[in-house]
Amino acid sequence: QKEVEQNSGPLSVPEGAIASLNCTYSDRGSQSFFWYRQYSGKSPELIMFIYSNGDKEDGRFTAQLNKASQYVSLLIRDSQPSDSATYLCAVRRGSTLGRLYFGRGTQLTVWP
Amino acid sequence: DGGITQSPKYLFRKEGQNVTLSCEQNLNHDAMYWYRQDPGQGLRLIYYSQIVNDFQKGDIAEGYSVSREKKESFPLTVTSAQKNPTAFYLCASSEGGRARGNEQFFGPGTRLTVL
Repeated sequence: QKEVEQNSGPLSVPEGAIASLNCTYSDRGSQSFFWYRQYSGKSPELIMFIYSNGDKEDGRFTAQLNKASQYVSLLIRDSQPSDSATYLCAVRRGSTLGRLYFGRGTQLTVWP
Repeated sequence: DGGITQSPKYLFRKEGQNVTLSCEQNLNHDAMYWYRQDPGQGLRLIYYSQIVNDFQKGDIAEGYSVSREKKESFPLTVTSAQKNPTAFYLCASSEGGRARGNEQFFGPGTRLTVL
């Protein structure tokens, strides 16, 4: 079982819709969870992180964490064509200082 | 202007050559990381360093070497022992320690091609 799993997509939504990106992880002791956005040919940029159960909102982005289900998601409200990118989920386990485990990413396309 | 720089942006290597990728940060971060990304793949950890003069192997360290002589710098050498080095190489840094956030920030990357 992979440490971090994401649906590879592609996920396609119309402009203005809510895009929902999902991620599951295998280590129940994982502490911190990160979402990165990566445009084609570019390096990942951090969108947000979450470490407590529940929702965390930042502008159009909402991260949701459910540790009991070992599930973290990212919602993008009012999706824009500029949101078209690959979204990477990353997890930091409790036993390992600093290092992150990355999923393969979900490719999102927002069409006008 | 704080950030992480990587050089060169593009690098071409002949088979049998060693090449060194540069990574510098002025964020005063303790921890630094090297990842490799292949097309359609996630990020795989090569090496990481939590503090100067110390580093640990990641998941795919074979054929690579690193040094951490200065806090600001974490160069990666791709040796001739690395059989399939063509990839996008990403350097990242973070504050380090056990802080719950401890988020990693990435440099712009180096795209290495073996001729």
